[in-house]
Amino acid sequence: LAKTTQPISMDSYEGQEVNITCSHNNIATNDYITWYQQFPSQGPRFIIQGYKTKVTNEVASLFIPADRKSSTLSLPRVSLSDTAVYYCLVAPRNQGGKLIFGQGTELSVKP
Amino acid sequence: GAVVSQHPSRVICKSGTSVKIECRSLDFQATTMFWYRQFPKQSLMLMATSNEGSKATYEQGVEKDKFLINHASLTLSTLTVTSAHPEDSSFYICSARDPGLAGGETQYFGPGTRLLVL
Repeated sequence: LAKTTQPISMDSYEGQEVNITCSHNNIATNDYITWYQQFPSQGPRFIIQGYKTKVTNEVASLFIPADRKSSTLSLPRVSLSDTAVYYCLVAPRNQGGKLIFGQGTELSVKP
Repeated sequence: GAVVSQHPSRVICKSGTSVKIECRSLDFQATTMFWYRQFPKQSLMLMATSNEGSKATYEQGVEKDKFLINHASLTLSTLTVTSAHPEDSSFYICSARDPGLAGGETQYFGPGTRLLVL
């Protein structure tokens, strides 16, 4: 499984756009990139998943460059409730679904 | 998305007792479920992969006799912490894949179970 590297923490203010970048230099051809959000004392919540280029849903956008060695989670206009830990994971499809979590990025949104 | 539940949400037990935690997929069938443990201010650590109808696969360093896993049906996996000790106190989280969904490798996580061993 490809190893991921993210910033340990980030600070932002309400209303700003937040971009969290994850490095995964050893990503394999059949690996997908998935981001999860976790609040204290809760299980992780799926945010978005992608393979290449750009994916957008009602919560976030995921940008993946052509070489796929990194990805950027973009959260538009964050609010205080977006304060959480964000995890970037890389794993192959159709091979058991095992996920190995890195340390994640602790996002703090201030008023 | 798919819903995964856990029961109980928190449990306090005495040292030496066993504790069972249930993980259920509520609106889909999961042939594979996963169990994680998370200590304060740390990331999730995968403990084992629970396979319906077969033995669980444990990660390196996880004692299979200490953490018993039973995947009794396509919607239920249980984790039993046997002879619990204070160092087993942690946040236990399960997850399940819904292969029927588009993007079927997405894992959905339960809300977690807080275990405190006195």
